[in-house]
Amino acid sequence: GAGVSQSPSNKVTEKGKDVELRCDPISGHTALYWYRQRLGQGLEFLIYFQGNSAPDKSGLPSDRFSAERTGESVSTLTIQRTQQEDSAVYLCASSLAGGQISGNTIYFGEGSWLTVV
Amino acid sequence: GENVEQHPSTLSVQEGDSAVIKCTYSDSASNYFPWYKQELGKGPQLIIDIRSNVGEKKDQRIAVTLNKTAKHFSLHITETQPEDSAVYFCAPSRAMNYGGSQGNLIFGKGTKLSVKP
Repeated sequence: GAGVSQSPSNKVTEKGKDVELRCDPISGHTALYWYRQRLGQGLEFLIYFQGNSAPDKSGLPSDRFSAERTGESVSTLTIQRTQQEDSAVYLCASSLAGGQISGNTIYFGEGSWLTVV
Repeated sequence: GENVEQHPSTLSVQEGDSAVIKCTYSDSASNYFPWYKQELGKGPQLIIDIRSNVGEKKDQRIAVTLNKTAKHFSLHITETQPEDSAVYFCAPSRAMNYGGSQGNLIFGKGTKLSVKP
């Protein structure tokens, strides 16, 4: 299908190592979101990309977290020097320009499950 | 910023009964009110939404009602089935022209619905 694709689906890493999580949005979707979801918890906003505008990084919890997006396609979320509290599902979502606020449906990927041991 | 609360946090019903989940919000400028369903191991999926110029919207067994004066909206599921078992999230938001970040969509903490056969 042509949904939001995330990789890896599962990742176990040792504390202190860096990890990269990848998101392939739906083709033509200029808005892209990253969220974090701890076990049994709600969705925590991390970062938002909209076209060529400066990304909204207001949700990144620390300078160990960063994200990039190549044009209007693939995005990579990087977590440096991982800690056990980083263990969570990292969800990527995409939508047409303007996202939910413009009335466009947000489509989520199935997430990348990160476990830091 | 928007403060969003969902009640109840867990809900258990017998198959065939109705289920109601309520979402309260604080931002009076919010004018878009969606509900997402998240099945185990998957990303959230939009199931129904409503805009501030409409009080109620129905789609087969699910409906959403809005009370802007009281700043809450509710998800109603009738004739529940075991496949309705999931976590449900609300994410009220405002339109672009009201300003604020488009990315930082605030989700409720979720309601875990269990439908017993």
